[in-house]
Amino acid sequence: GDSVTQMEGPVTLSEEAFLTINCTYTATGYPSLFWYVQYPGEGLQLLLKATKADDKGSNKGFEATYRKETTSFHLEKGSVQVSDSAVYFCALSGAGNNRKLIWGLGTSLAVNP
Amino acid sequence: DAGVIQSPRHEVTEMGQEVTLRCKPISGHNSLFWYRQTMMRGLELLIYFNNNVPIDDSGMPEDRFSAKMPNASFSTLKIQPSEPRDSAVYFCASAAPGTSAYNEQFFGPGTRLTVL
Repeated sequence: GDSVTQMEGPVTLSEEAFLTINCTYTATGYPSLFWYVQYPGEGLQLLLKATKADDKGSNKGFEATYRKETTSFHLEKGSVQVSDSAVYFCALSGAGNNRKLIWGLGTSLAVNP
Repeated sequence: DAGVIQSPRHEVTEMGQEVTLRCKPISGHNSLFWYRQTMMRGLELLIYFNNNVPIDDSGMPEDRFSAKMPNASFSTLKIQPSEPRDSAVYFCASAAPGTSAYNEQFFGPGTRLTVL
């Protein structure tokens, strides 16, 4: 079945460092891909998404490119801030009219000043 | 526009008691999801509804858990009887009509349940 694999955390970086969080997937068909972020004490919120191959999603300085050839959707940010400390989840949509999202386990990011 | 509303935000109860969690989805959304999040198991989908009908309840852990959606603007998740291992944060999320390509889910703030 469909699945999402994320790099394990926690990831600890200094402010202004470059961030990469790896996400690879297994899916039939052509899923849409999502990155969600969960700040401490809050629910998840959509960070960015891509609906087809080679699409690049971007938001708040974060980017991810839908790579069908490598089945990947890695999250990147050129210069992280303390306020980016959160848990990041990669997810993919089910096929057809399936409304479920298949979730990765989440990667915790801590950014130190 | 109000987001997904959950109540209560925090619930502390004793083992064996009935617990009812409530969710109001975003107006116009026709899919509703109940999740449970723990440190040990991460984020788990318990059940989801489409147009008020339960579509997939394979994640409901056991018969102690039940969920209802009597109308498009309200859903409940009930645990009876509750056990300490049910302690978790429970999230409700909703999604607008559309194909899987646009499956953005909007999450509520969660209910933190502690069963003593």
